Amino acid sequence: AQSVSQHNHHVILSEAASLELGCNYSYGGTVNLFWYVQYPGQHLQLLLKYFSGDPLVKGIKGFEAEFIKSKFSFNLRKPSVQWSDTAEYFCAGLMNSGGYQKVTFGIGTKLQVIP
Amino acid sequence: DAGITQSPRYKITETGRQVTLMCHQTWSHSYMFWYRQDLGHGLRLIYYSAAADITDKGEVPDGYVVSRSKTENFPLTLESATRSQTSVYFCASRSASGRVGYNEQFFGPGTRLTVL
Repeated sequence: AQSVSQHNHHVILSEAASLELGCNYSYGGTVNLFWYVQYPGQHLQLLLKYFSGDPLVKGIKGFEAEFIKSKFSFNLRKPSVQWSDTAEYFCAGLMNSGGYQKVTFGIGTKLQVIP
Repeated sequence: DAGITQSPRYKITETGRQVTLMCHQTWSHSYMFWYRQDLGHGLRLIYYSAAADITDKGEVPDGYVVSRSKTENFPLTLESATRSQTSVYFCASRSASGRVGYNEQFFGPGTRLTVL
């Protein structure tokens, strides 16, 4: 079965610390991967996406993610977090299911950045 | 403004009542989705639609009904609401055109539903 798993459910960091959020997927075919962010009280917004080409993807607000096919991973990174990065982050994968492409989301990681 | 809207934004209802959550998008996106967001479960797909008159179940479809008579609308109905359906519901849409996987899903602002 297709699945996306996020290992860290709650992360607390101080400002300027480096961030890495883990994401692994389970799917045998071609997969397209996304990271979404949900700021408190808001809807999900796209941070970055990978669909082909360079496995290192750069997104908005200084975030980047690396697709490692051999590890079925798509970890999100940021070298120096800010208080405004406090949010919930969702990894998602677009996979074929019954002829349609569906996006499967991970459980989410709540990031709290302490000033 | 163009985009994806949901109504109502907040709803309180009682167990056993029928509730319909509305979703409307102005992009003519082929795909539309309904998710529920719950603590400890993240986002779970309830139903999705690949085009008008084509709908299919997601992970947690029980107790929900959808329809898609028009491309732009994708209402979600709770036929007999239960307390376990208290949640935040997000509608999303995505274009089917272009390269597969290239198109992101756009999310609506959400509907917070409380079932007493």
